[in-house]
Amino acid sequence: DAKTTQPTSMDCAEGRAANLPCNHSTISGNEYVYWYRQIHSQGPQYIIHGLKNNETNEMASLIITEDRKSSTLILPHATLRDTAVYYCIVRDPWVQGAQKLVFGQGTRLTINP
Amino acid sequence: NAGVTQTPKFQVLKTGQSMTLQCAQDMNHEYMSWYRQDPGMGLRLIHYSVGAGITDQGEVPNGYNVSRSTTEDFPLRLLSAAPSQTSVYFCASSYGRLAMNEKLFFGSGTQLSVL
Repeated sequence: DAKTTQPTSMDCAEGRAANLPCNHSTISGNEYVYWYRQIHSQGPQYIIHGLKNNETNEMASLIITEDRKSSTLILPHATLRDTAVYYCIVRDPWVQGAQKLVFGQGTRLTINP
Repeated sequence: NAGVTQTPKFQVLKTGQSMTLQCAQDMNHEYMSWYRQDPGMGLRLIHYSVGAGITDQGEVPNGYNVSRSTTEDFPLRLLSAAPSQTSVYFCASSYGRLAMNEKLFFGSGTQLSVL
């Protein structure tokens, strides 16, 4: 069963905020939300993660709804270099098998000039 | 630091041949893993290791062997290559056993074609 649902593709204008949604309606209390991205054919790159509170780092912001059933990754000022596939992953880091990080299909974000 | 280094970058094999994909990291990471990515698809975990001498299977382990004799290296062996193993292979590592705050660092990938 898929743990997360993401749109297949999205477009955003350069310089605007890119908001990538992720639905994780069956998330459990101990599961974290992680975001990675994969630019072209490179290896994926970690972006951000969170449990309940909103998080921000130098790359992005992560907004998690109060019921934790969905979240949004925000790239505040998208550039052409942000064109990539973005993966939303939920994982309980404390259970057996937590070392198996499972990537879904992700969202292909295209930043347009 | 070089990070996670994968070799070779490209490889063409004939069906039935064997080979080893190399992965090395110089960050003293405990956790290492191998993923494969088929065209238009997400990554699928093949094998992983939480430390020297410890390995375990991921989602798609069949046809692949691994060993972890040192902290730095985690080679992936194909004993008898099949066309279904044509894919891009990524190695990744993490400082600890992929606990809460740990992030995966990925190599640049090996593109493998089996004819």
